[in-house]
Parts: sequence; C-alpha cells; structure tokens
Amino acid sequence: DSGVTQTPKHLITATGQRVTLRCSPRSGDLSVYWYQQSLDQGLQFLIQYYNGEERAKGNILERFSAQQFPDLHSELNLSSLELGDSALYFCASSVSGTTNSPLHFGNGTRLTVT
Amino acid sequence: AQSVTQPDIHITVSEGASLELRCNYSYGATPYLFWYVQSPGQGLQLLLKYFSGDTLVQGIKGFEAEFKRSQSSFNLRKPSVHWSDAAEYFCAVGARAGNMLTFGGGTRLMVKP
Repeated sequence: DSGVTQTPKHLITATGQRVTLRCSPRSGDLSVYWYQQSLDQGLQFLIQYYNGEERAKGNILERFSAQQFPDLHSELNLSSLELGDSALYFCASSVSGTTNSPLHFGNGTRLTVT
Repeated sequence: AQSVTQPDIHITVSEGASLELRCNYSYGATPYLFWYVQSPGQGLQLLLKYFSGDTLVQGIKGFEAEFKRSQSSFNLRKPSVHWSDAAEYFCAVGARAGNMLTFGGGTRLMVKP
C-alpha cells in the first residue's frame, strides 16, 4: 500500500460531461502529481502541485484543471469530455516535489467516456 | 528536453531464467534514473533509483540496474525470474535540478511456467 488514495476507482460518463477525480497524498507528502496513462500515449505528466501551489505543468489540456487544497488533497477536473480522454489517471505524491524525492503512486482512476 | 526509450514493448521469459530490460535516455547531463513496476490494477511502485556513485544499484524484489554513461543506458536485470514478476516495467528520468519525471513507454513482461 503506497498510502496514496484515489477516488473513484472507476468512472463511466458520456461525451461532453464533466468529472472530478480526487487524490489524498501519503501522510507527510507535500507534493502531488497527476499523470494520464493511455495505450497510445503511455504515461504522460499532466501537472504538479507543491503545498497548494502549482509547480509544473505538462501536457494538460485547457479543458482540464486541477488544484491542491490546504489539507493537501488534490482534485483533477476534466470537462467537455471526449472519447479520447478515456484513460487511467494516476495521482502520485512525494515529500519535497523534487526529482530526488521518490514518487508514490495511487492505484488510479479508470475513466471511460462513451 | 529529456526522453526515455524502452525498445522492447513485450518480453517473455521462462520462470527461473535471467532477465534484462533495456532503457536508453536522452539528456544533456547525468540525470536521476528510476525503474518502476506496475502490476495489473495497481499503481507504479519504485524498484530502484540511481542518483550518483556506484553505477550498479540494487533494488527491491532481487532487481538490479546498471548505469552506463557512455551508452546512456540504465538496464534492469534479475538473475532468476519468478512468475510473480509478470508486470509492466517503466524506466524514468529526471533532471537533477528538476521536479518531474519523464517515463518510457514501458515493457510488459510475461513469465512462462
């Protein structure tokens, strides 16, 4: 058990809809990362937060947004969903948010857009 | 920009056989290097990491990896594979002054009885 909790485990929704994915980091970790895993794109970095502030942005679409709250949990909001957004979304956390601080991954949220 | 290539998408080995998974990276300096494993339905778990020093690093579950600067490689090895090692393996690279990792495309390992 990594200590990172992601909810829900599965989401099935229709095109055009909006969903929210939630992540609780491991106790003591200040940084949260979001990754998207799909068969054709592999594991793609979306966005990173550290102690409530956005620290790095990757290949995140404008239809997607995220935030990290004062209690350090994070939410990833996906709107105007398209079929191509179907993927496994991972949250990972680390202590310091730097590359020498190992990432601890949750079990992911599987999003299916129909 | 950094990038990681895992040339083998799928590998099948017999239980008890040795294993080597290849990883090549592209980066201007020596990066931090990692191997992660993903079992079905699970998140990624850190197997081992290289920051500096001894180029042969030991990890969990009997895995080791060797950093070769001249070849820009960080191959993962295990002398004797167990059926429970069947999973997907990801190599990742991070800049020393950075804050995020770039992952390779992964290698799916299947183990024959």
